[in-house]
Amino acid sequence: KAGVTQTPRYLIKTRGQQVTLSCSPISGHRSVSWYQQTPGQGLQFLFEYFSETQRNKGNFPGRFSGRQFSNSRSEMNVSTLELGDSALYLCASSLRGGPSSYEQYFGPGTRLTVT
Amino acid sequence: AQTVTQSQPEMSVQEAETVTLSCTYDTSENNYYLFWYKQPPSRQMILVIRQEAYKQQNATENRFSVNFQKAAKSFSLKISDSQLGDTAMYFCAFRGGATNKLIFGTGTLLAVQP
Repeated sequence: KAGVTQTPRYLIKTRGQQVTLSCSPISGHRSVSWYQQTPGQGLQFLFEYFSETQRNKGNFPGRFSGRQFSNSRSEMNVSTLELGDSALYLCASSLRGGPSSYEQYFGPGTRLTVT
Repeated sequence: AQTVTQSQPEMSVQEAETVTLSCTYDTSENNYYLFWYKQPPSRQMILVIRQEAYKQQNATENRFSVNFQKAAKSFSLKISDSQLGDTAMYFCAFRGGATNKLIFGTGTLLAVQP
């Protein structure tokens, strides 16, 4: 079974631009979560989607948004990019969302650099 | 709010020896799950081991085992017979409540020396 895939793997953008990152979960997984990883702040939760609905959101400004499609694929969008948005963005999928014992499996990440 | 603390930023171990990574957490939840993830230089986050809080028995996965002390809110990872491929950043993570959100510690960079 294929793992979690993220596209693109690397991205360079300029301040003020917007960016869209894509995540395809493991087949059959319906929950997708997004995390931001930076050297200064570590790993921080962005949001979780389950059955096309956002279930939980981390403490990020409204410039960060996401959505999930009927096939469970998810996208996250960052508008008006700032230098501080440079980070590794990780997507994780699990069979179900909510209080379950199902593990989350991570994709390889998208490395975003804002100049 | 839940927090996860890893007090060892870096550790080093000789190949074939045993090393223990520490993790403490704070929560008021009764039902929760704890995980250790490994992130090698490739940056791919890999699940190493998980522990359900309601289980008293410590989880083991081959050379990896945990020491789960619920009352002390401690969750350490022991790696036996360390191998060069174990070199990575190790993150302790907590998941609890009505959410799939993982709360991560700051990580411990483990270097296995030949």
